[in-house]
Amino acid sequence: EPEVTQTPSHQVTQMGQEVILRCVPISNHLYFYWYRQILGQKVEFLVSFYNNEISEKSEIFDDQFSVERPDGSNFTLKIRSTKLEDSAMYFCASRGQVDQETQYFGPGTRLLVL
Amino acid sequence: AQTVTQSQPEMSVQEAETVTLSCTYDTSESDYYLFWYKQPPSRQMILVIRQEAYKQQNATENRFSVNFQKAAKSFSLKISDSQLGDAAMYFCAYVRPGIEKLVFGKGTKLTVNP
Repeated sequence: EPEVTQTPSHQVTQMGQEVILRCVPISNHLYFYWYRQILGQKVEFLVSFYNNEISEKSEIFDDQFSVERPDGSNFTLKIRSTKLEDSAMYFCASRGQVDQETQYFGPGTRLLVL
Repeated sequence: AQTVTQSQPEMSVQEAETVTLSCTYDTSESDYYLFWYKQPPSRQMILVIRQEAYKQQNATENRFSVNFQKAAKSFSLKISDSQLGDAAMYFCAYVRPGIEKLVFGKGTKLTVNP
């Protein structure tokens, strides 16, 4: 069964450093998403992406964040200058066109900013 | 704004017994989708079941079923014949067609006792 994959599974970085989180969505999906979950809290929407552009973003998704689909398979989230409060689990999700709005999640990347 | 409320931070059930997790939501829309996601200790988000608001029939997936009460804006998850592997955080989520973001509740931690 096709699934969303994410790399790395864990990332430790110093405050102020740039990080890139990578995702490979399900191959025939066209809608892509990033969510984050700070430890012990609910899952929060960051951004959605369709047809090579951002379709919606939350207040969390400020100028420090960017997304890109550099090729036909990868979908990346870049944090330009990480802050301590960016420490969280980051989930990528994807959705097909005929999937009744169902988003399928990857296993997540656990980001720790020191 | 749409909100999703899970009023039970924690629940426990004996193995082989049945448990029901509660979820209510607030929306003025008539067309939407509801989901239950499971998050085991590995922290991956796994789709358990989904319900389309326009369908009166409650969704069922093996041991998992929902009680969808549209007028009451209630969407509870029933797990029958609970197994040790059902132990996880369970998140209720809502999405409107065309509006990309999933809105999650805070989750219910389910413990299954042997």
